[in-house]
Order: sequence, then C-alpha cells, then structure tokens
Amino acid sequence: EAGVTQFPSHSVIEKGQTVTLRCDPISGHDNLYWYRRVMGKEIKFLLHFVKESKQDESGMPNNRFLAERTGGTYSTLKVQPAELEDSGVYFCASSYTLNTEAFFGQGTRLTVV
Amino acid sequence: GESVGLHLPTLSVQEGDNSIINCAYSNSASDYFIWYKQESGKGPQFIIDIRSNMDKRQGQRVTVLLNKTVKHLSLQIAATQPGDSAVYFCAVYSGAGSYQLTFGKGTKLSVIP
Repeated sequence: EAGVTQFPSHSVIEKGQTVTLRCDPISGHDNLYWYRRVMGKEIKFLLHFVKESKQDESGMPNNRFLAERTGGTYSTLKVQPAELEDSGVYFCASSYTLNTEAFFGQGTRLTVV
Repeated sequence: GESVGLHLPTLSVQEGDNSIINCAYSNSASDYFIWYKQESGKGPQFIIDIRSNMDKRQGQRVTVLLNKTVKHLSLQIAATQPGDSAVYFCAVYSGAGSYQLTFGKGTKLSVIP
C-alpha cells in the first residue's frame, strides 16, 4: 500500500513567486493535514481537511497560503506570493479516522531566495 | 493551548544500551500521544502511541510511559541499534475537539557503535 506522497520533494523559488505543493494521502483516508517546520523550530500544524472540507485552518500563517482538496482526494497548498520566511519543510499527513495515528509524507523542502 | 517541551536536543548512547527520551506536555485535557521517528530526508514515521486511559504500552523494543499526574511522557528503546539513530518527536493531541498534533522540538539520538 502506498504511503502519503508529496510533490515536489524540493522547490527553490524567488521571493514573490508562486509555488504549489501537492499531497496524495493514503487511499481511503478522509483526514488530511498540512504541517510545516521552519528552520530550528518545531513542526507546526497548518490545517486539517475532512474529505474536501476545511475542518481547522487555525494554523495557516496568513492569506498568502491557500489549501484546497477538491474531490476529497489529493490536496494542494499554494503560497502566493512567497516570502523568505516561508522557507522550511512542508509535511502532509493523513489518517483514517479522527484522533488516530497520522501517517506523514516525506515532506517538500521549500527554499525562498 | 498545548505546548510540548522538556527538550533534550541530543542523546548519545552506546549500541546495545537502552535509550530513554523524555517529553512533557502542558494541557491536562490531552488524551492521545504519539512518538515519531524522523530520519534524514524523510518524514516523521509513527513508532508507538498511547491514550490517556493507559500508563504504559509496549511495542517491539519500544515502550511508552505516560504519567498524567506530572504530564510527562517517555519513550524507551531497548538494546539500541545503529538504525535507531534519528530525531525523535513526541506529539500530542489536545482533545476537546482539536485534531491537530502539537510537536515537541525533538531529540536527536546518536548510537555509538
């Protein structure tokens, strides 16, 4: 069974550009989460989808970040326009039910220069 | 909100010895706890979990202990092997309808052959 997959694995963009990260959760997992880890800090929650609905987006840093999960399958996280402080590793995770183990993807390392 | 701390940044152990990694949490309503292992270039990998109605849970070579009185969590790895070298994170679900994980800063375990 395929795990959570993320694309791309690395992205280097200039400040002001747009980047879109993609996450494919484990098949059948209704719950999809985005997290990120900026340099030297803890992994922080961004948002949570249940199917195609945003359940909790309290961790989204600002309106430059837009997450979607059309159709309740894969999800995208768009950063527009990117700023230097957005650099970090963005993780996606999925879980079958609420309050159960979440399985993480390998992450997308975003570098904004 | 929740905070997760008691951060020991690094831990070095001799191969074959037991390792103990500690974590503290702040919210007494927290009800589900997970330990993750992260190797270089990979996402967090689920190791073991425990719910608040238990105080101990064992897996293969790993044991998690939960002390709700002092809000402390520990991961014990028996007979530590070189393949155990990684960064270990505790993560906490705060309960009360929140399904976001709060992560600690992580402890880097180095196994000395």
